[in-house]
Amino acid sequence: DGGITQSPKYLFRKEGQNVTLSCEQNLNHDAMYWYRQDPGQGLRLIYYSQIVNDFQKGDIAEGYSVSREKKESFPLTVTSAQKNPTAFYLCASSRTTWGTGGDEQYFGPGTRLTVT
Amino acid sequence: QKEVEQNSGPLSVPEGAIASLNCTYSDRVSQSFFWYRQYSGKSPELIMSIYSNGDKEDGRFTAQLNKASQYVSLLIRDSQPSDSATYLCAVNMNDYKLSFGAGTTVTVRA
Repeated sequence: DGGITQSPKYLFRKEGQNVTLSCEQNLNHDAMYWYRQDPGQGLRLIYYSQIVNDFQKGDIAEGYSVSREKKESFPLTVTSAQKNPTAFYLCASSRTTWGTGGDEQYFGPGTRLTVT
Repeated sequence: QKEVEQNSGPLSVPEGAIASLNCTYSDRVSQSFFWYRQYSGKSPELIMSIYSNGDKEDGRFTAQLNKASQYVSLLIRDSQPSDSATYLCAVNMNDYKLSFGAGTTVTVRA
């Protein structure tokens, strides 16, 4: 059963702590993405990776870090430098980043992070 | 100007009616266009993708693309209460970037 898994579903942390969000896919997709969604707003791109051992900053990368050591996995670390970390974090994947049909992005169930 | 703009909504339609959602985008070189459905508290689900001008139909959903006018729309025919959700328009502006609109919330009243 192919898909994208994210864990945990809910995460609570104290201010000043780093936290790592997990994202795994078994769709054999090359590209993976991290988005953030705030209430009433669209999705904003944090980081993306087109291939293993390579990743690029998106529009709001400050305060976040990622790694892509395996094709299936793209974990996101929210560091203490991120000023407003409370949000809904969504991981997505696609076969490619460009091209008819290949760039359809599929989302995991999301992780809701609350920092107090 | 925002890269992708959608009707602010909310849009309320009676059951069985047609819901019409609109989206405009700013980048003329955009090639890929998507509609996602997002239920409250859930992640977005891809419901339609369209790449060339014209209409694309899938069940009760029809996507319409007009690249000259930089406009993409989604029609939901025979609207059902289960269609009540927020619909996100997304446009692939570049070789990697999927830009999303803020979404239009649709409520189908029984």
